[in-house]
Amino acid sequence: SYELTQPPSVSVSPGQTASITCSGDKLGNKYASWYQQKPGLSPVLVIYQHNWRPSGIPERFSGSNSGNTATLTISGTQAMDEADYYCQAWDSSTARVIFGGGTKLTVL
Amino acid sequence: EVQLVESGGGLVQPGGSLRLSCAASGFSFSTYSMNWVRQAPGKGLDWVSYMTSSSSTIYYTDSVKGRFTISRDNAKNSLYLQMSSLRDEDTAVYYCASSPSGVATLVFDYWGQGTLVTVSS
Repeated sequence: SYELTQPPSVSVSPGQTASITCSGDKLGNKYASWYQQKPGLSPVLVIYQHNWRPSGIPERFSGSNSGNTATLTISGTQAMDEADYYCQAWDSSTARVIFGGGTKLTVL
Repeated sequence: EVQLVESGGGLVQPGGSLRLSCAASGFSFSTYSMNWVRQAPGKGLDWVSYMTSSSSTIYYTDSVKGRFTISRDNAKNSLYLQMSSLRDEDTAVYYCASSPSGVATLVFDYWGQGTLVTVSS
């Protein structure tokens, strides 16, 4: 079955750039999406179709996807960006939604 | 304002049944595909099921196939998940989430607040 792999944790200093990766076989051939989840709250879509931002999502969030890796990049990271981040893709061959295991972003 | 409000969660014994509901408002429910996504305590997101706007296409994750049934009532702007033969590993917060049309892939643009299902004796 198709799997997406994320690092368990990423740390970044305030104002710096955070990069969170998501790896899967030929992931670049699929559309990757990213969700932010803060403690006790529901997930929020921050990036879809590689690099589209929903309304209300700050411009500092961007995405890329090539080869076997999708990357969520947060430029000028702020304390409010501290959260768990999940990548997600649609596997059309099996008609299944796949989530990565999640990455805890710490801003310190 | 888009709202998705889940209800119906609770404590159920292994082997038991439960029906979750999701009431939608603030958007054209009948034109959106809908999903159930769950999250076990302290764990990651786990997609459960998907249904198109017309109910013509339904998908399930393998672990719930044959035990869970997704349905919707567009006249009532509501989504449902009938869960039976529940197992300990079904314990999770269950979210309903909408998937917009006009997007090249399946994404979840709005999420409810979730309802907790606990399977335990």
